[in-house]
Amino acid sequence: DAGVIQSPRHEVTEMGQEVTLRCKPISGHNSLFWYRQTMMRGLELLIYFNNNVPIDDSGMPEDRFSAKMPNASFSTLKIQPSEPRDSAVYFCASVRETTGVRYEQYFGPGTRLTVT
Amino acid sequence: LAKTTQPISMDSYEGQEVNITCSHNNIATNDYITWYQQFPSQGPRFIIQGYKTKVTNEVASLFIPADRKSSTLSLPRVSLSDTAVYYCLVGERGYSTLTFGKGTMLLVSP
Repeated sequence: DAGVIQSPRHEVTEMGQEVTLRCKPISGHNSLFWYRQTMMRGLELLIYFNNNVPIDDSGMPEDRFSAKMPNASFSTLKIQPSEPRDSAVYFCASVRETTGVRYEQYFGPGTRLTVT
Repeated sequence: LAKTTQPISMDSYEGQEVNITCSHNNIATNDYITWYQQFPSQGPRFIIQGYKTKVTNEVASLFIPADRKSSTLSLPRVSLSDTAVYYCLVGERGYSTLTFGKGTMLLVSP
């Protein structure tokens, strides 16, 4: 398996522009997570999907952020409009949720976003 | 979710055994203890998980005392490639949402 795939790996954009980050979870995994990591705040959970349905979006910082999961193999995180304080590394992770199996999340390589 | 406390950083030399202790005084009966490792420019990677006593795999050992208020991740004979941030997390086994703290930055020197 190729693991969790994220694109792009690096994104540089100007303030006010729309940014779309993409994630392909591991095949067979039914839960997907978006995290953001910065030096100041560490690794923060933004949103969690189970079976393509958003379960917990309490970590989404504000209305400028939105996430979708139209099917089991694809998710997007969109920032519109982007601001310099959104600069961070954004990780996507997936896990197969079953009963009695340890919940090991598999993380993607991340997208490093720089907003100037 | 139970709060965890772990050292901000640790230093070691190649070939030594490293023990990283995590405190979780408010751990609940159904909580498991899980450790993740993160290398620079990569996402976190699962290392080991346990509930009580001792768990060992090909990478590390996890020691959990009877009161479960702390746990110790043990890395035998570390190498330079073990330089990474190590996160201790506590939560129910069936609870997928993980809360990552600041972690412990382990620096292994020659």
